[in-house]
Amino acid sequence: AQSVTQLGSHVSVSEGALVLLRCNYSSSVPPYLFWYVQYPNQGLQLLLKYTSAATLVKGINGFEAEFKKSETSFHLTKPSAHMSDAAEYFCAVTNQGGKLIFGQGTELSVKP
Amino acid sequence: DSGVTQTPKHLITATGQRVTLRCSPRSGDLSVYWYQQSLDQGLQFLIQYYNGEERAKGNILERFSAQQFPDLHSELNLSSLELGDSALYFCASSPDTGNYYEQYFGPGTRLTVT
Repeated sequence: AQSVTQLGSHVSVSEGALVLLRCNYSSSVPPYLFWYVQYPNQGLQLLLKYTSAATLVKGINGFEAEFKKSETSFHLTKPSAHMSDAAEYFCAVTNQGGKLIFGQGTELSVKP
Repeated sequence: DSGVTQTPKHLITATGQRVTLRCSPRSGDLSVYWYQQSLDQGLQFLIQYYNGEERAKGNILERFSAQQFPDLHSELNLSSLELGDSALYFCASSPDTGNYYEQYFGPGTRLTVT
């Protein structure tokens, strides 16, 4: 069975600092991996997706993620945090047919 | 704006009641997914429809059912509601079925059962 584990339910960074949100997956088949962001009282917005074309995936708002098969990881990074990045971030893996299996989520706080 | 619409935005009802949540997918998308987001369970897949037919089932209770209509909109029916059914219910759509396609999420319906 496929699963996703996000390390750290809450991450706090200063504005301008590096953002690193961790995601590890378990999958018996080559995975498709996604990062979604959820702003307060809103739905989920896709940040980026990995579909085996390239291991380093660039997304919207300056985010990127690197797929590392040997570490079964798909960590999300952004070089310089902005106040507007404060939100909840979800890593997800797809199962057969496309249903998403989500991690528990990581709430990102950005301090001025 | 993802292009996926959900109504109503908020719903407050009593235990034992039945409610219907509605979702209109993005124009042209054939696949609709329903997810439940709660504090204790997180985000969980409930059910998927593709072009009017049920395609996959997740952790959906027997008290819950869904359907997708010929115009591709979908409804999620929740009956005999319990306090624990209080959650945010999301609909998502994608052009087709399969792992490759990203899903576009609606704004959600917040259900409060009192």
